[in-house]
Amino acid sequence: DTAVSQTPKYLVTQMGNDKSIKCEQNLGHDTMYWYKQDSKKFLKIMFSYNNKELIINETVPNRFSPKSPDKAHLNLHINSLELGDSAVYFCASSQGGSGWEAKNIQYFGAGTRLSVL
Amino acid sequence: AQSVTQPDIHITVSEGASLELRCNYSYGATPYLFWYVQSPGQGLQLLLKYFSGDTLVQGIKGFEAEFKRSQSSFNLRKPSVHWSDAAEYFCAGAGSYQLTFGKGTKLSVIP
Repeated sequence: DTAVSQTPKYLVTQMGNDKSIKCEQNLGHDTMYWYKQDSKKFLKIMFSYNNKELIINETVPNRFSPKSPDKAHLNLHINSLELGDSAVYFCASSQGGSGWEAKNIQYFGAGTRLSVL
Repeated sequence: AQSVTQPDIHITVSEGASLELRCNYSYGATPYLFWYVQSPGQGLQLLLKYFSGDTLVQGIKGFEAEFKRSQSSFNLRKPSVHWSDAAEYFCAGAGSYQLTFGKGTKLSVIP
């Protein structure tokens, strides 16, 4: 059983389209994240949700909208795709609660490679 | 601002040789530090973590890392590298609900 699963694994689309990436975790975690990895492999956090509430929203264009229907899912919707959105997007999750250890150990999905043509 | 630096972009070692990947951090308080590995086309896998206590931490796949406060470093080591260790390695530091990653070090292993 995959702990953090993302779909699709690959996504090729045209500029201007709208697309979604789905993420699900079966670890019972309270917190989920989206990261973007650019062509130079640099990883940067985009969003974080804790119990379906947005807690981190980095400087990301508002074309990107995360949606958390329940605490096991965090989907990423992208409107009006641009060439610069091409990257690998990673979903991650961590345990909630007050303990630092649990909060900060993050488990990652395998990534979604988005190519905008 | 909190930051993590990996000074080496690419390292090549021979199979069986020892390995050390460097990581320096800049945090105000006691940092929580991690090493992750990303194999080609894969997600990130946690190798080891440091929160407190013993400054030499053991991880999976035979890796270890040593936290040195005086040098602001958390270097990753392995005594004998295997060809399957070829991957991208990321050092990361934790803030509240947020990981800050270094830019990664690509490890190549030659037979």
